[in-house]
Amino acid sequence: QKEVEQNSGPLSVPEGAIASLNCTYSDRGSQSFFWYRQYSGKSPELIMFIYSNGDKEDGRFTAQLNKASQYVSLLIRDSQPSDSATYLCAFGTSYGKLTFGQGTILTVHP
Amino acid sequence: DTAVSQTPKYLVTQMGNDKSIKCEQNLGHDTMYWYKQDSKKFLKIMFSYNNKELIINETVPNRFSPKSPDKAHLNLHINSLELGDSAVYFCASSHLAGRVDNEQFFGPGTRLTVL
Repeated sequence: QKEVEQNSGPLSVPEGAIASLNCTYSDRGSQSFFWYRQYSGKSPELIMFIYSNGDKEDGRFTAQLNKASQYVSLLIRDSQPSDSATYLCAFGTSYGKLTFGQGTILTVHP
Repeated sequence: DTAVSQTPKYLVTQMGNDKSIKCEQNLGHDTMYWYKQDSKKFLKIMFSYNNKELIINETVPNRFSPKSPDKAHLNLHINSLELGDSAVYFCASSHLAGRVDNEQFFGPGTRLTVL
């Protein structure tokens, strides 16, 4: 079983729609969860992190964490073409190690 | 102004050669990391240093040797390069590892191609 699994994608949504990205993880010792965005040919950049069960909102982005189900998701509201990128889910441990999923490619078409 | 820099950006070399990649951060962070991203975009941690001390050492061939002369620099030396070493190598840095909000800032990456 992979440590982190993301929905396989690619995911295509129309501009203005909600994009939903999902991630499950196997390590119950995980402390915190991160969503990174990576544009083609660029480095990953952090969108959000979450470490408590429930929802966390930041602008058009909402992260949801359910530790009992070992599930974390990212919702992007009012998707824009500039949101088209690969989204990487990662979980972190106490000594700073981030374990990444394989990424989901999102395309937002006008 | 920037945050995490790496040199070189591109590295093309022959099998069997030895090469180094350099990384510097000016964010005042205590912890630095090396990641490898393969052709399928899978990003995997290799090493981490906290204030010049090695704290993460994943299962990586011992041809790879990190060196941290000070907490702002982390270099990666690779001996006897193999075709499978071709990848993008990212350096990253963060505040002290162990915080739950441990945001890692990534450098621009070094694309290594072994011929």
